[in-house]
Amino acid sequence: SSELTQDPAVSVALGQTVNITCQGDILNKYYATWYQQKPGQAPIRVIFGQNKRPSGIPGRFSGSSSGNTAALAITGAQAEDEADYYCGSRDSTNERVVFGGGTRLTVL
Amino acid sequence: QVKLMESGGGVVQPGGSLKLSCAASGFSFRTYGMHWVRQAPGKGLEWLAFIAYHGRYKYYADSVRGRFTISRDNSGATLFLQMNSLTGADTAVYFCAKDPQGLDQATPVDVWGQGTRVTVSS
Repeated sequence: SSELTQDPAVSVALGQTVNITCQGDILNKYYATWYQQKPGQAPIRVIFGQNKRPSGIPGRFSGSSSGNTAALAITGAQAEDEADYYCGSRDSTNERVVFGGGTRLTVL
Repeated sequence: QVKLMESGGGVVQPGGSLKLSCAASGFSFRTYGMHWVRQAPGKGLEWLAFIAYHGRYKYYADSVRGRFTISRDNSGATLFLQMNSLTGADTAVYFCAKDPQGLDQATPVDVWGQGTRVTVSS
């Protein structure tokens, strides 16, 4: 199966660390890509490959993977990190991209 | 700077058709695969279609196969999505997005356009 599962919502206190997870069998084979989407905006890629950050993404964002679970960590969460986060992966046929259902992060 | 600009969205009646365009700039469009992804109101991201850099390979989600057609004009650096037999379930913001690789495989996108809104309603 190429489905990806995420918790619908997660909260974190300002300045603390939060992990957002993504589960799926396909993650045993491929790294997840993580996207951040703020209300009314297009998603932006924040993590790809084996914990790579695109230019301009703060160092507090990091990625990890173990077995069928990928995680996006935000170390020292800021108010501006409040957003929806989606994981994505190629599927086993390499003819589709699949997304998780998304996690809404609230920074308290 | 990579830029993707969608256009062509609007209101269409059920059963109608619409063609979306995505103008690309800031990169060598002809060497990268491209995707369409949509987001229904209040919902998550749904991948729809991929076209390889040369245009010969096209892949679709089950939900749109047979109704939607992805195409590209490399000389004009433009991506298209022809949408037919539209229903209310197709109401969404439609994003074009760039594949990070120049292969025949669909991989998670790296750059997104701002999206164009499609509303299917009578």
